[in-house]
Amino acid sequence: QVQLVQSGAEVKKPGASVKVSCTASGYTFTTYYIHWVRQAPGQGLEWMGIINPSGGSTNYAQRFQGRVTMTSDTSTSTVYMELSSLRSEDTAVYSCAGESGVATKAFDYWGQGTLVTVSS
Amino acid sequence: QSALTQPASVSGSPGQSITISCTGTSSDVGGYNYVSWYQQHPGKAPKLMIYDVSKRPSGVSNRFSGSKSGNTASLTISGLQAEDEADYYCSSYTSSSTWVFGGGTKLTVL
Repeated sequence: QVQLVQSGAEVKKPGASVKVSCTASGYTFTTYYIHWVRQAPGQGLEWMGIINPSGGSTNYAQRFQGRVTMTSDTSTSTVYMELSSLRSEDTAVYSCAGESGVATKAFDYWGQGTLVTVSS
Repeated sequence: QSALTQPASVSGSPGQSITISCTGTSSDVGGYNYVSWYQQHPGKAPKLMIYDVSKRPSGVSNRFSGSKSGNTASLTISGLQAEDEADYYCSSYTSSSTWVFGGGTKLTVL
């Protein structure tokens, strides 16, 4: 079965960077687009960006341009999301979500989420 | 890209039907048939309930249905059940080749 397994919780200081991983299994890694979505405590879902693991092309939400970098490693079937210049407002659960193409332009598989806490 | 507009909360009694609206613009909801809906229980990952405005993934109850008119999409849940109590989010593909979510709607089953 399709699984997206993310790295563990992180605590970072303001100004630092965080890198969250998402390891895929149960399908051919390069055939699903991977999105990153975050959810601040008690808040709604926010789309951050998308990466095509086949080739590594990306598209980021405008508000994260210049601060987010998404990469993929086909040798380990892992996608990474790095967010820099962290501030307290970046405290959130960060989730990867797979777009298989069966459900067009939708997120049909989700990782378990990674809590990133930004605090001095 | 502004978030899509959803009501903050809706409620209904078991067996009833409810509808959640999701309003965007011609650059997102109105411009593409790529609206999807997600159910999220507390502490859990979102679950895809509807895609392409009105299609249900395998395994999703046919009590869930979607539609769209102009810049507004809707999710209808019929025959409400206690386990339907959750947060619901709409999402749309946009003209910038990005995605946008709605602010979310808390469904309470009375």
